Amino acid sequence: AQKVTQAQTEISVVEKEDVTLDCVYETRDTTYYLFWYKQPPSGELVFLIRRNSFDEQNEISGRYSWNFQKSTSSFNFTITASQVVDSAVYFCALSEAGNNFNKFYFGSGTKLNVKP
Amino acid sequence: DAGITQSPRHKVTETGTPVTLRCHQTENHRYMYWYRQDPGHGLRLIHYSYGVKDTDKGEVSDGYSVSRSKTEDFLLTLESATSSQTSVYFCAISESRPHQETQYFGPGTRLLVL
Repeated sequence: AQKVTQAQTEISVVEKEDVTLDCVYETRDTTYYLFWYKQPPSGELVFLIRRNSFDEQNEISGRYSWNFQKSTSSFNFTITASQVVDSAVYFCALSEAGNNFNKFYFGSGTKLNVKP
Repeated sequence: DAGITQSPRHKVTETGTPVTLRCHQTENHRYMYWYRQDPGHGLRLIHYSYGVKDTDKGEVSDGYSVSRSKTEDFLLTLESATSSQTSVYFCAISESRPHQETQYFGPGTRLLVL
């Protein structure tokens, strides 16, 4: 079973629309970390946010917001008033503190197309 | 931006030839990682290093070896390249253990094995 599931392979929206990218994770650890990364067309991976399992507070950074719900094992990412520059592939990732050191799981990514 | 460079940025090689990719960091971070990115798979860990001369295998280590003789450099070697190793390779670094600290990624290396 996949540790991190991003069910939306590709999403297309028109500029200024709000869009939510879903991320569902699976872990038995009580301590873990969740991440979102952005990969624009240029190819680099840009860190967006890290959240630990003990902090369920939602976070807002400008037009970006994240909703962490342990009850549903989800860590969703919302972009408000999307812009063309938001077009990218977005990856959700999970790191388990109690597991082997080398366990860092990425989802398969969601490609977001924002059209003008 | 974290100071991470990868070389070469693009490479085309033939099946059966050895290939070495280099990751260089200027952050003096202890931990370094090699990932490969393939469509539908996200990123998968190949090998990682937790110090000079200290390395271990990741999820998809078969066909790859690594070396770290200096803090700043982490080399990934494909001993005998195969077409299935055509991919984009990313190096990453972190100051502490990956489940406690954010990993920062290099710009990637596109490798095509013919």
